[in-house]
Amino acid sequence: QVQLVESGGGVVQPGRSLRLSCTASGFTFSSYGLYWVRQAPGKGLEWVAIISYDGSDKYYADSVKGRFTISRDNSRNTLYLQMNSLRLEDTALYYCARESSAHWFDPWGQGTLVTVSS
Amino acid sequence: EIVLTQSPATLSLSPGERATLSCRASQSVRTYLAWYQQKPGQAPSLLIYDASNRATDIPARFSGSGSGTDFTLTISSLEPEDFAVYYCQQRSNWPLTFGGGTKVEI
Repeated sequence: QVQLVESGGGVVQPGRSLRLSCTASGFTFSSYGLYWVRQAPGKGLEWVAIISYDGSDKYYADSVKGRFTISRDNSRNTLYLQMNSLRLEDTALYYCARESSAHWFDPWGQGTLVTVSS
Repeated sequence: EIVLTQSPATLSLSPGERATLSCRASQSVRTYLAWYQQKPGQAPSLLIYDASNRATDIPARFSGSGSGTDFTLTISSLEPEDFAVYYCQQRSNWPLTFGGGTKVEI
């Protein structure tokens, strides 16, 4: 079955960097676009970034543009999110999700928690 | 940015009752709208896409309707496992945006 497993979260000080990973299985990874979505504690969902199936197209939310970079390694079935210059407001559970054939978020991983704190 | 406003914020109902959730967009999203369900401690999951299409394995008691700026998610008869938070999301324009969610509680 399709599975997405995020890792790399943790506690980090403001201004520092962190790289998240999302390892996929159960489907042809190189055929699908992928997303990062985050959810601050007790809050709603916020789309963060998207990358096309081959990595040629990337889009970012304004809140992370210039600080976060989405990338993928199709040989390793892995999606990445490089997060630089982290802010307190970046504290959230970060989910990766696959782009469905109809271009929606489906399915989602279980998330990895990033806490930005001094 | 397209703002999605969900109402009500909380819906208090009993099993077997009908739930009607609303999502209003600040400008037309045509039918590029989806609904997701999030149970406590779990990741969201796709329920409805393109406004009215049920995702794979979603029971028929879930239905979506609407186009343009006004959308509705209906749960015809609530099952105990349906008590959760529901989010709408649009992909008509960048950035992709979500509504603030409706919590369906017992």
